[in-house]
Amino acid sequence: GEDVEQSLFLSVREGDSSVINCTYTDSSSTYLYWYKQEPGAGLQLLTYIFSNMDMKQDQRLTVLLNKKDKHLSLRIADTQTGDSAIYFCAEKDYGQNFVFGPGTRLSVLP
Amino acid sequence: DAGVIQSPRHEVTEMGQEVTLRCKPISGHDYLFWYRQTMMRGLELLIYFNNNVPIDDSGMPEDRFSAKMPNASFSTLKIQPSEPRDSAVYFCASSLGSRGHYEQYFGPGTRLTVT
Repeated sequence: GEDVEQSLFLSVREGDSSVINCTYTDSSSTYLYWYKQEPGAGLQLLTYIFSNMDMKQDQRLTVLLNKKDKHLSLRIADTQTGDSAIYFCAEKDYGQNFVFGPGTRLSVLP
Repeated sequence: DAGVIQSPRHEVTEMGQEVTLRCKPISGHDYLFWYRQTMMRGLELLIYFNNNVPIDDSGMPEDRFSAKMPNASFSTLKIQPSEPRDSAVYFCASSLGSRGHYEQYFGPGTRLTVT
């Protein structure tokens, strides 16, 4: 079945850039997503990218997609303490089957 | 819009009791999803509905779990009887299928503890 993998932890210093990586196995993925989960809250959609795109930028967020390698990354520029959270990568096929990764816990150090 | 609403936010119950979790999706959304989140298994899709009809319930762990959507603005997830291994955070999410990218909006979750 489909699988989405992420590293579980990332620590960065405030003001640095964060890069969170994700790999997926489903070659029929149509959309790929990044969600953010803060403590005690639900998942919040940050951004998404269509599978025929290579890059998408939205303010401090840059998503890069390498479809050949099935690799997705999320870059957060000028990382702030408020960015500390768990970040989930997810992919969707042609149906409604969403598969989420295990999440990467981002810790921002002062 | 108020977003996806879930109740209760926290539920503590004893093993063997019936538990009912409730969800109100965003008005106008035609897809509704139930997820379970645990440390060990991450985020798992349990079931999803389209226009109130269950489409895929392959993620429902066993017959103790059931879900209904009697109308477009309400869904329930019931566990009967509950067991300690059911302890998790249960999320409801909704989406609008006419939007090509089907982004899901999540509720705040119900934290269930079964003792």
